[in-house]
Amino acid sequence: DAGVIQSPRHEVTEMGQEVTLRCKPISGHDYLFWYRQTMMRGLELLIYFNNNVPIDDSGMPEDRFSAKMPNASFSTLKIQPSEPRDSAVYFCASSPSGGREQFFGPGTRLTVL
Amino acid sequence: GENVEQHPSTLSVQEGDSAVIKCTYSDSASNYFPWYKQELGKRPQLIIDIRSNVGEKKDQRIAVTLNKTAKHFSLHITETQPEDSAVYFCAASRTGGGADGLTFGKGTHLIIQP
Repeated sequence: DAGVIQSPRHEVTEMGQEVTLRCKPISGHDYLFWYRQTMMRGLELLIYFNNNVPIDDSGMPEDRFSAKMPNASFSTLKIQPSEPRDSAVYFCASSPSGGREQFFGPGTRLTVL
Repeated sequence: GENVEQHPSTLSVQEGDSAVIKCTYSDSASNYFPWYKQELGKRPQLIIDIRSNVGEKKDQRIAVTLNKTAKHFSLHITETQPEDSAVYFCAASRTGGGADGLTFGKGTHLIIQP
């Protein structure tokens, strides 16, 4: 199994630009999570899906952030417009129903100039 | 919502000694407490977890203890080795990790001195 796949691995953009982060969960996993990691705030849950349906988006910082999961194999996290304070590592994780462990992807390091 | 506090933020121990990291949580409904290890530039990976119906769990050199009454749990690493150097995160959730988002502590940077 290839594990959770995220792309791009690194993204550098300018303030005001739209950014789209992508995630492919492990095949057969019903849950998908988006986390953000910064030095100041640590690891924060942004949103998670169950069977492609958003369950809890209370961690999404503001309306500039949106996430979708059009099918079981793909999810996106979009930031529009991006701001320097959005600079962070964004992790996607997935888990199977009845499972305990969340399997993290390698992360996308986002830098907004 | 849940709040998880983790201490210390940095811990330096001599190789071969033990290391203890402590966490407290606020939500009495939380019943699942995993620990993740993150090496520099890598993804977090689960190393051990415990459910609220268990007071202690051990896996080789790693153990976790839970005190539900006091709402705190701890990670114990014995006979530390250089490869134990990493950032360790505690976390909590209500439904068991896989089916719920995790609330993480801020992390502990563990440094193993040779």
